[in-house]
Amino acid sequence: SYDLTQPPSVSVSPGQTARITCSGDDLPNRYAYWYQQKPGQAPLLVIYKDSERPSGIPERFSGYNSGTRVTLTISGVQAEDEADYYCQSSDSSGTVFGGGTKLTVL
Amino acid sequence: QITLKESGPTLVKPTQTLTLTCSFSGFSLGAGGVGVGWIRQPPGKALEWLAVLYWNDDKRYSPSLKNRLTINKDTSKNQVVLTMTDMDPVDTATYYCAHSRLAGNWYFDLWGRGTLVTVSS
Repeated sequence: SYDLTQPPSVSVSPGQTARITCSGDDLPNRYAYWYQQKPGQAPLLVIYKDSERPSGIPERFSGYNSGTRVTLTISGVQAEDEADYYCQSSDSSGTVFGGGTKLTVL
Repeated sequence: QITLKESGPTLVKPTQTLTLTCSFSGFSLGAGGVGVGWIRQPPGKALEWLAVLYWNDDKRYSPSLKNRLTINKDTSKNQVVLTMTDMDPVDTATYYCAHSRLAGNWYFDLWGRGTLVTVSS
């Protein structure tokens, strides 16, 4: 198995850009996926295959993979973006989630 | 439209076996490139992947829990069942099932609402 490491928290003001990172030694060989989870709700996929956005996800959500680190970027953060964000990756043996990052919109 | 719903006991006693059912619609587990996974989340904590079952009946388990988990499907009922043996209070969590898709690697594009399972005597 392998680990994915995320910062516990990120804070930004409305309208600014939030960047949430996820680090893992095997990330150069795998795709990363990102989920948003608001209190009391199930996770919602916001980015797949490093940088692809599912239908219905706002364009302000983007992602990129720079080797052992992947980044979820939220441009022009809105109050409704306040949530926990989890990265995830998988290989033939299974799946792992990062520890999650709480995004606070000040 | 794909939907998933978890069902099972809300309270189990320590050492008991937990059986959870994921009932789904809008897709077939007989279709290639599709799977159903289970993920749990203790109160206030992070997501933890448990198991996944693929369309070809291939199964994968979390290495830390593999000795306690079994995942099976009932294709005729559109259900996936997860059993976890020897339950402990630390297993108290919301348990989610999710539709899994292969794009690059496996991921979970649609989730059920989850079911809270409390382990207590």
